[in-house]
Amino acid sequence: ELKVEQNPLFLSMQEGKNYTIYCNYSTTSDRLYWYRQDPGKSLESLFVLLSNGAVKQEGRLMASLDTKARLSTLHITAAVHDLSATYFCAVEQITGTASKLTFGTGTRLQVTL
Amino acid sequence: DGGITQSPKYLFRKEGQNVTLSCEQNLNHDAMYWYRQDPGQGLRLIYYSQIVNDFQKGDIAEGYSVSREKKESFPLTVTSAQKNPTAFYLCASSILRTSTDTQYFGPGTRLTVL
Repeated sequence: ELKVEQNPLFLSMQEGKNYTIYCNYSTTSDRLYWYRQDPGKSLESLFVLLSNGAVKQEGRLMASLDTKARLSTLHITAAVHDLSATYFCAVEQITGTASKLTFGTGTRLQVTL
Repeated sequence: DGGITQSPKYLFRKEGQNVTLSCEQNLNHDAMYWYRQDPGQGLRLIYYSQIVNDFQKGDIAEGYSVSREKKESFPLTVTSAQKNPTAFYLCASSILRTSTDTQYFGPGTRLTVL
């Protein structure tokens, strides 16, 4: 059974600081996704990481994937208050034509002034 | 505008009642999914469908049922057999097996059992 673990579960950081969220998974997967969720809202897709060594950046967020270590990271550079949200990683497994995502428990990020 | 719509936004259910949550997409996506989210937790897959008239159980299908009669629609019924249905329900859709596909999520339905 695939297990996806994120840490930390909660992160409080000051504006301007850097930090990294970690996502570990237990078995081989096809792709890894990062999503953002604001309180009471739906999920917004941030990144899709397709292969080992993949790195993607959008604004102050950068995601990377190491399939050998079964680890993905979401790095936050010079945090701003608008980044406050819950961030989820999700690991995809494809069997035949079926695509299934298994989500981590999420990291709640709070950026303080 | 293309997107995924879910209705209702809020739903209250009495114990013993079946309720149906609507999910519609106009993105021409092949696959559709239902997830459940409990407070402070990640999403868990209930059911998914790759093509019309076909669907598969996810990790927590007990007490739920679905149908896929049209490509655009994937309604979820929460039956009285689901013992703890209070949760946030999210529907998603995706194109199958392209290099850039991801699952796009609807706005969600918050179900509360009275």
